[in-house]
Amino acid sequence: EAQVTQNPRYLITVTGKKLTVTCSQNMNHEYMSWYRQDPGLGLRQIYYSMNVEVTDKGDVPEGYKVSRKEKRNFPLILESPSPNQTSLYFCASSLGGVNEKLFFGSGTQLSVL
Amino acid sequence: KQEVTQIPAALSVPEGENLVLNCSFTDSAIYNLQWFRQDPGKGLTSLLLIQSSQREQTSGRLNASLDKSSGRSTLYIAASQPGDSATYLCAATNAGKSTFGDGTTLTVKP
Repeated sequence: EAQVTQNPRYLITVTGKKLTVTCSQNMNHEYMSWYRQDPGLGLRQIYYSMNVEVTDKGDVPEGYKVSRKEKRNFPLILESPSPNQTSLYFCASSLGGVNEKLFFGSGTQLSVL
Repeated sequence: KQEVTQIPAALSVPEGENLVLNCSFTDSAIYNLQWFRQDPGKGLTSLLLIQSSQREQTSGRLNASLDKSSGRSTLYIAASQPGDSATYLCAATNAGKSTFGDGTTLTVKP
């Protein structure tokens, strides 16, 4: 089944403890991206990757890191999480180009205490 | 910087009614415009994608139009059903960067 898989689904952590949210897709998509969704602020793009080893900042990259060492994986790293990074996170992928139909993962609800 | 606005923020209609959701964007330099559906606690599901060179796309009871010159897109839902209740988001995409509207929350009453 074609899908984007995020793990974990729920995560509670404490300020400053490094964490990684994984994202994997099985559709051989070139493009992958991360978003956060907050009440009243909508869905905002954090980082995106057009291909392996190619990443770029979205609208809210501060406090986040990403890497794209393999085509199928695009982990989101929070080196020193803070409470303002408490949010619902989504990973998405697409073929890229003008036919950028986005496929989304189920989301990761992160709480930073 | 691209800005995407969706009106109305919420809409409640009786079952069977036809309805239109609106999406406007400020920068017409887009690759495509997508409409998504999001159910509570779930991820987003792509409904329709309109490439920048296209004017509209149809899927079943859904029809989406795109007018780049005016910076507007509409999603038309025919013969609405209670199962259509969800939040509908539009997103304007250009070279990897996607900007989403805040969504319209639709409630279809039986």
